[in-house]
Amino acid sequence: GEEVAQTPKHLVRGEGQKAKLYCAPIKGHSYVFWYQQVLKNEFKFLISFQNENVFDETGMPKERFSAKCLPNSPCSLEIQATKLEDSAVYFCASSLRQDNEQFFGPGTRLTVL
Amino acid sequence: GQNIDQPTEMTATEGAIVQINCTYQTSGFNGLFWYQQHAGEAPTFLSYNVLDGLEEKGRFSSFLSRSKGYSYLLLKELQMKDSASYLCAVGNSGNTPLVFGKGTRLSVIA
Repeated sequence: GEEVAQTPKHLVRGEGQKAKLYCAPIKGHSYVFWYQQVLKNEFKFLISFQNENVFDETGMPKERFSAKCLPNSPCSLEIQATKLEDSAVYFCASSLRQDNEQFFGPGTRLTVL
Repeated sequence: GQNIDQPTEMTATEGAIVQINCTYQTSGFNGLFWYQQHAGEAPTFLSYNVLDGLEEKGRFSSFLSRSKGYSYLLLKELQMKDSASYLCAVGNSGNTPLVFGKGTRLSVIA
């Protein structure tokens, strides 16, 4: 597509429940990035993919967070056993190259109660 | 590593000019981006500088000095709709993603 699509727009989970977020990058873009933004604060980089391969995962809290980008499927970010501090807006972005302009999706607002 | 600094908040008057500064330290500079983010929305691309100098695009201009590790975003003829956060992001020539600053929240007042 012409835009980065993210679903769902809003997600509410009880503490300890699983959350799964989806992202469809712009067609033809090889790189996908996930960011976490807590209460309009700074963007925290989580993970990036080059096609279906993990490119950089230095920002991922590996204990509970995982992500995939499989061929012919939307990319996903999964949080096992959510905690209150996971409440944030999760943005997905895609780009042609890893150092190129990134196009952002509308974000998924996760609220953990 | 990389470090990006920009002011947290700024206020300016409708019709005026405002300059938002960004300083950075990086081991392998490969371009600087400015993004605009309205409350509750995704960031949108404003400008990209990889060479020194001023890039003008309508009411918005962006300047870069690589030797000083410094950039600014200049907004002219401010409008109320320019109230937003402005994010500075730096690219590295290594295999690392863009690093975003914390953003500058601009409030335009009448």
